[in-house]
Amino acid sequence: GAVVSQHPSWVICKSGTSVKIECRSLDFQATTMFWYRQFPKQSLMLMATSNEGSKATYEQGVEKDKFLINHASLTLSTLTVTSAHPEDSSFYICSAAELAGGGETQYFGPGTRLLVL
Amino acid sequence: QKEVEQDPGPLSVPEGAIVSLNCTYSNSAFQYFMWYRQYSRKGPELLMYTYSSGNKEDGRFTAQVDKSSKYISLFIRDSQPSDSATYLCAMSVRRGGGADGLTFGKGTHLIIQP
Repeated sequence: GAVVSQHPSWVICKSGTSVKIECRSLDFQATTMFWYRQFPKQSLMLMATSNEGSKATYEQGVEKDKFLINHASLTLSTLTVTSAHPEDSSFYICSAAELAGGGETQYFGPGTRLLVL
Repeated sequence: QKEVEQDPGPLSVPEGAIVSLNCTYSNSAFQYFMWYRQYSRKGPELLMYTYSSGNKEDGRFTAQVDKSSKYISLFIRDSQPSDSATYLCAMSVRRGGGADGLTFGKGTHLIIQP
């Protein structure tokens, strides 16, 4: 149980294009989903928190107009990196939590490696 | 001072040894503590979850929390080469991270030598 998937697993794009990453909870309903970013040899840094049907809450320093988050259903959240630039190249990981159902912690997806040329 | 301190290693031990991984933290509001294992280019996998001081055991893994010292540990018995990975400690104020997400340590890179 508690499986979270992400798609795509890796993507290479040109500077200035937009990239959409999907995060799905496969066997539970995720009332809350989180998006993290991880640079090489660094820890996971929380970017934003999203609850189904409401606007995402962004961490300080994360541009909400650049990183668009949509949590349209209890099993799907999407992160769109708009007008991507090389400095956005990173490992993006989502996690999902079933907080409303009594779930206690977060389960992570396999991550999406983004390379912006 | 960072909220969560964790030695990045690498920590290299022979197969079969007992491994001790540690984190210290400064925020006394943290109540929930987790250990995740992360293989290269993969997402973190939950190993242990605890919310009280003391020990919690699951197979070869034992998580220890000392809230008075703001210190948590993960012990791995009978270590195997397949245990080679990066181990991340994580903690939160609220259950599941609540609205604040999880605060992670930097991760310790563990190498088990065959």
